[in-house]
Amino acid sequence: AQSVTQLGSHVSVSEGALVLLRCNYSSSVPPYLFWYVQYPNQGLQLLLKYTSAATLVKGINGFEAEFKKSETSFHLTKPSAHMSDAAEYFCAVSEDQLDSNYQLIWGAGTKLIIKP
Amino acid sequence: DTAVSQTPKYLVTQMGNDKSIKCEQNLGHDTMYWYKQDSKKFLKIMFSYNNKELIINETVPNRFSPKSPDKAHLNLHINSLELGDSAVYFCASSQTDGGSFFGQGTRLTVV
Repeated sequence: AQSVTQLGSHVSVSEGALVLLRCNYSSSVPPYLFWYVQYPNQGLQLLLKYTSAATLVKGINGFEAEFKKSETSFHLTKPSAHMSDAAEYFCAVSEDQLDSNYQLIWGAGTKLIIKP
Repeated sequence: DTAVSQTPKYLVTQMGNDKSIKCEQNLGHDTMYWYKQDSKKFLKIMFSYNNKELIINETVPNRFSPKSPDKAHLNLHINSLELGDSAVYFCASSQTDGGSFFGQGTRLTVV
């Protein structure tokens, strides 16, 4: 069965510092992997996705993530944190399926706190 | 144009009432979903639906029922509301690679 683990329910970094949000998954087949961001009182917005092309995926707002099959990881990074990055971040996985009824398996989320 | 829109944004109602939340997507996606997000931000899928198949999360009470008049709409009807139903409900639709677009959410408060 698929599962997604996000290490750390809260991550706090200083403005300008490196952001690293961890995500590990388990999947019996090559997965599709996603990071979503949720700003306060808003819906989820897709940051980036891995769909078996390049292992280093660039997303919006300067974020990127690297798929590492050997480590079953898909950690999210940003070189320099900005105050506007403060939000909840969710990692999700879906398995390749033959029909269009994909379902995402979600991590529990990591709240990113930016210190001035 | 909003890709996935749901209404209302806020809903306050009394226990025992029946309510509906509407969702529409203009992306041409085949699959739509309803999620429940609790106070700890944990996301739980409730239903996924395309024009061929409805998949129900077996943990969802049968007081909850999705209704899809057409491919672009998936409404959520809730009967006999309970205090524990208070949460934020999100509608979403997905591309073929599983990436989903979300609505802004409906914050349901049962009093």
